[in-house]
Amino acid sequence: GESVGLHLPTLSVQEGDNSIINCAYSNSASDYFIWYKQESGKGPQFIIDIRSNMDKRQGQRVTVLLNKTVKHLSLQIAATQPGDSAVYFCAEICTGANSKLTFGKGITLSVRP
Amino acid sequence: DAGVIQSPRHEVTEMGQEVTLRCKPISGHDYLFWYRQTMMRGLELLIYFNNNVPIDDSGMPEDRFSAKMPNASFSTLKIQPSEPRDSAVYFCASSLDRGLVAGELFFGEGSRLTVL
Repeated sequence: GESVGLHLPTLSVQEGDNSIINCAYSNSASDYFIWYKQESGKGPQFIIDIRSNMDKRQGQRVTVLLNKTVKHLSLQIAATQPGDSAVYFCAEICTGANSKLTFGKGITLSVRP
Repeated sequence: DAGVIQSPRHEVTEMGQEVTLRCKPISGHDYLFWYRQTMMRGLELLIYFNNNVPIDDSGMPEDRFSAKMPNASFSTLKIQPSEPRDSAVYFCASSLDRGLVAGELFFGEGSRLTVL
């Protein structure tokens, strides 16, 4: 399960700095959004989710922001650590009958020591 | 919990051969998903099951692909005959029934398939 990060946009940050990973989603009807993290050789792992009736949600060291007007989602990671290096995917879904989760292409986060 | 278990982790085969990928979902999860990941297309949903019943297979590329879930603890994805363009990492994921076909998906570590 290698990530496909070599051909994805890359964000390089210094260890200890805050990271902001951005995602533009496509479906204006989407009402539920999720961020996943994929480390090299592993499957994607759930980080945080947000519903369309919210514009911000905080987790441990992570915050997700949702701007429905411009269909934009962002993931903020505070005090970025080497273990945060991975490919990050945003995913969207329009909840309802037969709805399916659609993943974005992914962004590689590289943390410089 | 051991998480979602997939096998094999790596498979190299020749064009025309049959490939079978296996998945054991997390016990108690009602949904099982098969995804394919490639550099060109990213993560694509192939098919998903709810309570062992295939719900949506519209993502299955063509008739060469088939998936089964004979019981709640086992699923297979079969490619017959395989072609070089099938080379990818195939992920299985499972989730609880939350009334959404989403929620937190738990992914396995994937099966990396190379078709020569």
